Amino acid sequence: NAGVTQTPKFQVLKTGQSMTLQCAQDMNHEYMSWYRQDPGMGLRLIHYSVGAGITDQGEVPNGYNVSRSTTEDFPLRLLSAAPSQTSVYFCASSYSPTLAGERGTQYFGPGTRLLVL
Amino acid sequence: EDQVTQSPEALRLQEGESSSLNCSYTVSGLRGLFWYRQDPGKGPEFLFTLYSAGEEKEKERLKATLTKKESFLHITAPKPEDSATYLCAVLYSGAGSYQLTFGKGTKLSVIP
Repeated sequence: NAGVTQTPKFQVLKTGQSMTLQCAQDMNHEYMSWYRQDPGMGLRLIHYSVGAGITDQGEVPNGYNVSRSTTEDFPLRLLSAAPSQTSVYFCASSYSPTLAGERGTQYFGPGTRLLVL
Repeated sequence: EDQVTQSPEALRLQEGESSSLNCSYTVSGLRGLFWYRQDPGKGPEFLFTLYSAGEEKEKERLKATLTKKESFLHITAPKPEDSATYLCAVLYSGAGSYQLTFGKGTKLSVIP
């Protein structure tokens, strides 16, 4: 299993540009999520999905869109990039966030480093 | 107010010098507490899941324990390769949904 994969690894954007960060998992996990990690802030949840066709907002959703058409893929779209979106983005997946113990464990991808100028 | 607090923020140890990292939480309805290791430029790597007070898990030089309000990650005789940032996260139920909240991490440096 490849686990959770993310592309690209690094991206530079100009203010106002749009782009899509890709995330895929091959573990048949129902739950997928996007986080951003900033110095001194910890990991913060952007959007999540509990299954194909179902998405919801997390703690910091503004400026981002998501969709979930398949179990495997969960892309994150930046609609109009701003310097405040400069960050490292991580995708994660698990069987379900409602399951206690091991099956609630989220596994993370390697991250996408985004710089918005 | 932070719901998950990790301490210390940074810790420098000599190789072989055992110590503990702390993760305290204020949430109710705990569904799980998770420890991750994160190396620079990498994604968080899963270490342990703890679910109930009194539970303990071990892996090599690491041992995680859980009480009703905090968890400890004990590092016994650390080696330089244990240097990393250790993240704690709690999964809890609240307001009709399930939330995973992370602490800000403890950066561990093990000096040869």
